[in-house]
Amino acid sequence: DQQVKQNSPSLSVQEGRISILNCDYTNSMFDYFLWYKKYPAEGPTFLISISSIKDKNEDGRFTVFLNKSAKHLSLHIVPSQPGDSAVYFCAAKLGNTGNQFYFGTGTSLTVIP
Amino acid sequence: DSGVTQTPKHLITATGQRVTLRCSPRSGDLSVYWYQQSLDQGLQFLIQYYNGEERAKGNILERFSAQQFPDLHSELNLSSLELGDSALYFCASSVAKTGDHTEAFFGQGTRLTVV
Repeated sequence: DQQVKQNSPSLSVQEGRISILNCDYTNSMFDYFLWYKKYPAEGPTFLISISSIKDKNEDGRFTVFLNKSAKHLSLHIVPSQPGDSAVYFCAAKLGNTGNQFYFGTGTSLTVIP
Repeated sequence: DSGVTQTPKHLITATGQRVTLRCSPRSGDLSVYWYQQSLDQGLQFLIQYYNGEERAKGNILERFSAQQFPDLHSELNLSSLELGDSALYFCASSVAKTGDHTEAFFGQGTRLTVV
């Protein structure tokens, strides 16, 4: 049962434009959400996170938005750069069960120069 | 460098065999997680250990087992291997206790190929 879903396997964006990656979840008990970035042949690296008590968190070019009523979060990258080309995983955490992380299937972002 | 070390990086073995994947967490991290990533799939949670004890179990096959040792390193044992077990296996670690909001840090993964 996939509790975290990323319905877009891939996304292409022109350099300098905005990239929007989406993620939906089913478990309303998730209390912390994260985005990871993964390059080929490397492990995922943490990018940005948001607590369930917030609806927005910003870090430089990266902003994560959380809509709890819709059980939806998104990652905005502005402006997109070629080095942002990677697979992005959305993850959610159930804090009261020992910090188990649930991951989506990933979205492959290609930023075209 | 995430500080999480996984060995070996690559492993090729035959069907029916048994292998052990090793993970050294970041210094001070008490939680270790194992994930499997098959071709074109997301990260499937296998199992979590916290300070030596099993904390949570995901979609881990009965042929697979794991443990976390007193020095906090962890091993994932895969036995009676099948072709479908070919995948990237990631270990991650986290300092967090239950309820803490911290991220997990991933190792570079072990690519297992079963032939």
